[in-house]
Amino acid sequence: AQSVSQHNHHVILSEAASLELGCNYSYGGTVNLFWYVQYPGQHLQLLLKYFSGDPLVKGIKGFEAEFIKSKFSFNLRKPSVQWSDTAEYFCAVNYLYGGSQGNLIFGKGTKLSVKP
Amino acid sequence: DTGVSQDPRHKITKRGQNVTFRCDPISEHNRLYWYRQTLGQGPEFLTYFQNEAQLEKSRLLSDRFSAERPKGSFSTLEIQRTEQGDSAMYLCASSPAGSQPQHFGDGTRLSIL
Repeated sequence: AQSVSQHNHHVILSEAASLELGCNYSYGGTVNLFWYVQYPGQHLQLLLKYFSGDPLVKGIKGFEAEFIKSKFSFNLRKPSVQWSDTAEYFCAVNYLYGGSQGNLIFGKGTKLSVKP
Repeated sequence: DTGVSQDPRHKITKRGQNVTFRCDPISEHNRLYWYRQTLGQGPEFLTYFQNEAQLEKSRLLSDRFSAERPKGSFSTLEIQRTEQGDSAMYLCASSPAGSQPQHFGDGTRLSIL
């Protein structure tokens, strides 16, 4: 079955700390990969995406993610977090096979709390 | 780009009632998606349209749920005979045809009394 796992439910960091949030997806051939962020009281917003090419992708607000195909992983990183990064982060996968090409499969999300 | 608009933002209803939600996608986005999100979970796919055609439906979409996109623009999601388990945030998203990413609305929060 198609599934996405996010390793951490809640991460608490101090400002300026480095961030890495894990995301693994079940094997399924060609995929498009996404990280979305949901700030308190706001809608889901795209942070970054990977379709093909360079496995290291850069997104908005200093975030980046690395696609490691052999590990079915797409981890999100940021060298130095800010208080304004406090939000919930969702990894999502679009499996491009089996006739299912429309929907995103989301992980359960990771809440990030950054202490000022 | 005015974003994806959903109405209402909140809906409180009694068990057994019917409810209908509306989604207005970003103009010129051919694809429109519905998701459901419950507490502590990520969004779960319900169904999606390309123009007016409903191309995919999740097993989560029981026969009490129906979605339409009659003119290929806005969409409605109706839940008949609501149950406690239908309490959730219902999210709508849209994207251009043949490509991602999906742009999400603020959602409609449904509470069943």
